[in-house]
Amino acid sequence: GAGVSQSPSNKVTEKGKDVELRCDPISGHTALYWYRQSLGQGLEFLIYFQGNSAPDKSGLPSDRFSAERTGGSVSTLTIQRTQQEDSAVYLCASSALAGGTFTDTQYFGPGTRLTVL
Amino acid sequence: KQEVTQIPAALSVPEGENLVLNCSFTDSAIYNLQWFRQDPGKGLTSLLLIQSSQREQTSGRLNASLDKSSGRSTLYIAASQPGDSATYLCAMRDANAGKSTFGDGTTLTVKP
Repeated sequence: GAGVSQSPSNKVTEKGKDVELRCDPISGHTALYWYRQSLGQGLEFLIYFQGNSAPDKSGLPSDRFSAERTGGSVSTLTIQRTQQEDSAVYLCASSALAGGTFTDTQYFGPGTRLTVL
Repeated sequence: KQEVTQIPAALSVPEGENLVLNCSFTDSAIYNLQWFRQDPGKGLTSLLLIQSSQREQTSGRLNASLDKSSGRSTLYIAASQPGDSATYLCAMRDANAGKSTFGDGTTLTVKP
């Protein structure tokens, strides 16, 4: 597609429910990143995919968070048993890898605003 | 652990003024540096990317510099316009992990 897309744009859920957030990267981009931006805080790295594998999951805040990527394209971030502190904007980005190095620009999607009541 | 600091946190200038936004980082072992702008309620828009081996990049009225030895980057905006009002973020790409570490941003307001 023309850019990174994310769905839903907004999600309101009740504490304890599971949610799934979706990211469609730019076609052909092999690297995909998830970040979150909490109110009053900066952007926080969550996980990075190279193809379908995740070399770096260090930013996932707890085992309630998981992500997968299939076919080297779409990625889903799942939050189980949501808590109020999970409320944030979840941003996805993708980039092309040139020769296996991280030289290329990250392009961001519009984000999913998650509100946990 | 990489730490990125942006100063000032907020800046207000009259239209037409040239301005500089600052970004400092603690770990010089970066792969690249990227400047973004974020409009309220929106995602991030890439402005400029500087490779680790480069010193600066220019795009239109924007010029970004990188000095790894001092752990600093600057974003220069010439002849500012009200449409430049946004939050500007710098991000350091970690070559080992692929992730980026972001600063907290500088919120710029350009008054007509």
